[in-house]
Amino acid sequence: QSVLTQPPSASGTPGQRVTISCSGSSSNIGSNYVYWYQQLPGTAPKLLIYRNNQRPSGVPDRFSGSKSGTSASLAISGLRSEDEADYYCAAWDDSLSGPVVFGGGTKLTVL
Amino acid sequence: QITLKESGPTLVKPTQTLTLTCTFSGFSLSTSGVGVGWIRQPPGKALEWLALIYWDDDKRYSPSLKSRLTITKDTSKNQVVLTMTNMDPVDTATYYCAHLMPDDYYFDYWGQGTLVTVSS
Repeated sequence: QSVLTQPPSASGTPGQRVTISCSGSSSNIGSNYVYWYQQLPGTAPKLLIYRNNQRPSGVPDRFSGSKSGTSASLAISGLRSEDEADYYCAAWDDSLSGPVVFGGGTKLTVL
Repeated sequence: QITLKESGPTLVKPTQTLTLTCTFSGFSLSTSGVGVGWIRQPPGKALEWLALIYWDDDKRYSPSLKSRLTITKDTSKNQVVLTMTNMDPVDTATYYCAHLMPDDYYFDYWGQGTLVTVSS
């Protein structure tokens, strides 16, 4: 049981915009930054978004992050087949659960 | 550039102790703010953070696994070692080490991971 809650799956067709949600609590998302990782099949996770909405260099601007209260979202616009992957949210947690907590992951399928 | 690589046994027996080594390059664990963490992922399941060690030897552990984990560093060898006692088949997973962005809370570089199977 992950501390952060994500939908297990999401899907979209090429060119569409999809969003993936991440729900937490006041001790993690509510008081700290949210991070997003992309894990392509058979590979290690890769940082996608840091500090709620910042993209590391090399990450396309099709990927964007947002946060409101104790929830966060990852949006992918102009969906492409190579976006098919697992996506994980993460945050620092100030409670006994932490300090690092991950979501359960969302498998994105490009139809 | 920063690279990390995990090494250790691929197969351990139940009740044994697992020792994994993370060998890294491109940064020093004696630099202020730097940290290295361990994260694992059972087959087909989610990421689970295990432990963190900072440049000043501050150590943090997952509350649920704290009694079984020990993380240490050897700055001269650019290595971080994780030991996990009393291994069980449910500990079968790919174990990753990762570089923690200095003075921040995300892992910006990851090793390729090493699959550890627990079976008799």
